[in-house]
Formats: sequence, structure tokens, C-alpha cells
Amino acid sequence: NAGVMQNPRHLVRRRGQEARLRCSPMKGHSHVYWYRQLPEEGLKFMVYLQKENIIDESGMPKERFSAEFPKEGPSILRIQQVVRGDSAAYFCASRRGAVEGNEQFFGPGTRLTVL
Amino acid sequence: AQKVTQAQTEISVVEKEDVTLDCVYETRDTTYYLFWYKQPPSGELVFLIRRNSFDEQNEISGRYSWNFQKSTSSFNFTITASQVVDSAVYFCALTAIQGAQKLVFGQGTRLTINP
Repeated sequence: NAGVMQNPRHLVRRRGQEARLRCSPMKGHSHVYWYRQLPEEGLKFMVYLQKENIIDESGMPKERFSAEFPKEGPSILRIQQVVRGDSAAYFCASRRGAVEGNEQFFGPGTRLTVL
Repeated sequence: AQKVTQAQTEISVVEKEDVTLDCVYETRDTTYYLFWYKQPPSGELVFLIRRNSFDEQNEISGRYSWNFQKSTSSFNFTITASQVVDSAVYFCALTAIQGAQKLVFGQGTRLTINP
């Protein structure tokens, strides 16, 4: 059973370009979380999604950021018109379902560098 | 609101010394989980432990031990006989058991074990 997959592992973009980060949850997991780790900081929650639904996006910046988790395929975190301050590691985590105590399993992260 | 504080930004010890990483948390939830994660230089997040707020028993796993004190809202982590491979950033995290279960992380403690 493969773990949480994220790709790309490293992404370089110039200011103003778009960044698309992909997360494939573990098999059987229908809940996905995205966290951001700015340099020298802890992880901060961004968004929580279930299949085809955004459940909690209280940590997402109001502009330029969006996330989706379609019925088929990976979850996508999309950053439009990237700026240098978007440079960070973006981690995805998945868990099985709504049962209490389900542990979140983390992917290896995508390191975004904005030039 | 939930908050996790890791007051020690950096710790440096000599190999074989014991070291304790402090974690203090704030939450209004009556039931919650506490976690420790390790982030080695390679950048991935490695799950170490999850502790349920109902269970205040201390836990030992090899050279690792955890001391959960609900009365002082602390969940400290001790590494006994430290090794160079223990060098990493360690994060303490908290989540409510119910609801979105989004993790709230501390700022992390960078632990350096010198040979």
C-alpha cells in the first residue's frame, strides 16, 4: 500500500507564473489536508477537503490560492501569479474517514521556489 | 483557539547525552490528540507518537519517552543516549478529536547532536 504521493517534489516558478501541486492520498483515504511550511517555521494548516468538497479553508490565503479534490484523480493545490513569499514546502496529508482517531499520513512535500 | 508552544528554538548536545524537548499547548477542547513529528534534513515528516487526552500514562519506545502532564498542559519528549542520527527538527502538534481534525503545530525545535 503506497503512502501519500506528492508531485512534483521540487518546483521552480518565476514570479507571476502558476504553480500546481498534486497530492495522491493513500488508498482508501477520502480526506486530504494541505499544510504550508515557510522557511524556519512550523507547518500551518491551509485547507481540508473530502472528495469533491472543501470542508475547511480557513487557512488559505484569500487570493490566488485554490484547492480541489475531484471524484477521480489527485487533490490539486493551485497558486496563481506566484510571488516570492509563496516559496515554501507544501505538505499534503490524508486520512481514511470521519472516524475519530484516524491518523493523518503525510506525503514527502513539494518544495516551491519562486524566483 | 488552539496553540502549541515549543519554547526551545535550538538545542545542541553531545552524543550520548539525554535531551528533553518541551511542548506546552492550549486548547478549549475536552478531548484532543497530541503528536510529535520528526523532520530530518531530508525534509519529510516522520510520525513519532500520538497521545489521546484521556490517557496520561507516560510512554517509552526504545530511547524515546514522552511525559504527558494534563495539569500543566505539557507533552515533553525525551531522547535518552542521543545519537547523531537524532539530529532533526522536532514538531509537537495538537488536534481536536472531533471536527475537521486539522493539526496545529508548534514552531519546532532544531536538535543538533554533535559527535
